[in-house]
Amino acid sequence: ETGVTQTPRHLVMGMTNKKSLKCEQHLGHNAMYWYKQSAKKPLELMFVYNFKEQTENNSVPSRFSPECPNSSHLFLHLHTLQPEDSALYLCASSHGGTTEQFFGPGTRLTVL
Amino acid sequence: DQQVKQNSPSLSVQEGRISILNCDYTNSMFDYFLWYKKYPAEGPTFLISISSIKDKNEDGRFTVFLNKSAKHLSLHIVPSQPGDSAVYFCAARAAVNMLTFGGGTRLMVKP
Repeated sequence: ETGVTQTPRHLVMGMTNKKSLKCEQHLGHNAMYWYKQSAKKPLELMFVYNFKEQTENNSVPSRFSPECPNSSHLFLHLHTLQPEDSALYLCASSHGGTTEQFFGPGTRLTVL
Repeated sequence: DQQVKQNSPSLSVQEGRISILNCDYTNSMFDYFLWYKKYPAEGPTFLISISSIKDKNEDGRFTVFLNKSAKHLSLHIVPSQPGDSAVYFCAARAAVNMLTFGGGTRLMVKP
C-alpha cells in the first residue's frame, strides 16, 4: 500500500449509530488532517494533528471525535450524527513544515 | 465568508486549446498558493504551486500566474488534453498546515 488510504470508502449510518473512519499514510509524514467536503461547498478543514498532537480544531461539533495514535494513523469517531453531516470526508498528510498535502480517496458518508 | 473563490463552477474547452482556470482571494496574509486536481472517486492530487513572492511558475503544460495587487491567480493548461478533465481546486496558505480551498471548477476537455 502506498500513499494515503482510507477505509471504508462508503458508509451509511443511522443517527444513533457509532462508527469510525480510518486513515493511514505510508509516506513518512508527521502531520495529518481531516477535511469535510459537502455538496457544492469548498473543502473544510476539521482537524490537524502534528506529531500525534492536535493543533487545530476548526469549531467542529463534538459528535466528531478524532484520534491519532501515531503519526501514520488517524481516526474519526462518529456518534449521533445528523443528516447534514452527510459528505465526503477526506484525510490528508504532509511533512510538518511543508504546505503540500497528500490526500486519500475519501469516505462517502450518508447519515439517514 | 469565503476567503478563496472560484467563480466559474465549470469550463469546457476543445482538446489542444488553452484552459484558463481562475481563483480570487481576499486574505492578504496568504503567502503560498496551490492547485489541486480531483478525479471522481479519488482524493485531490497536488498539481502546481506558487509563492507569493513570485508571479509565475511553470511546470510542463501547467503554468500558474499570481497577481497580488488584484488578489487573483490563474492556472493555464496548454495544450489541454481529454485526460485533464477533472475538478480543479485552488488553495491558499495563511499559516503552516492551514490551507483554505476554493469551491472548485469542473474542467471538461472535449476531443
